[in-house]
Amino acid sequence: GNSVTQMEGPVTLSEEAFLTINCTYTATGYPSLFWYVQYPGEGLQLLLKATKADDKGSNKGFEATYRKETTSFHLEKGSVQVSDSAVYFCALRYSSASKIIFGSGTRLSIRP
Amino acid sequence: EAGVAQSPRYKIIEKRQSVAFWCNPISGHATLYWYQQILGQGPKLLIQFQNNGVVDDSQLPKDRFSAERLKGVDSTLKIQPAKLEDSAVYLCASSLVGQGRFEETQYFGPGTRLLVL
Repeated sequence: GNSVTQMEGPVTLSEEAFLTINCTYTATGYPSLFWYVQYPGEGLQLLLKATKADDKGSNKGFEATYRKETTSFHLEKGSVQVSDSAVYFCALRYSSASKIIFGSGTRLSIRP
Repeated sequence: EAGVAQSPRYKIIEKRQSVAFWCNPISGHATLYWYQQILGQGPKLLIQFQNNGVVDDSQLPKDRFSAERLKGVDSTLKIQPAKLEDSAVYLCASSLVGQGRFEETQYFGPGTRLLVL
């Protein structure tokens, strides 16, 4: 079946470090891919998305590229800030009418 | 624009009791989703409504969970009777149309955290 696997956390980095959170997916066809973020005490927010192979989603300094050949959608940021501390979820969806399938989440903590 | 509203934010009950959660989606959003997020896992869809009709309830434990969306706006999710394994955060989300618009975003509420003792 369709699923998303992302690296386990927690991930702890120092401010201004480079961030990579790995995400791979298993799916038939060509889903859209997403990264959602959940800040402490808040609801899930869409961070970025990509709808077809080789698309790059970007937002707030974060980037992820839809790699069909490796079925991956790794999240990267060149220089993290304390305010980036949150839980990050990789997800996929086949159409706007269908449910989102989420990974298990990766907790990120940034030290000042 | 107001976001998705949920209440209560927290609820503690004993097993075999019943509980209800309420969701008010963003105004004008036709599609409404309820997700269950167990600690350490990603959210899992329980039920999806399009206006007041059910689109997908394949993962809803129908022997104890029920949901309705009267008049195609607000929605309630009920658990009766609750089990220990129902302890989770229950998230409500909404989207504008949910049909044929591939770029559409789902907006999530803050969730209701349920603890069953």
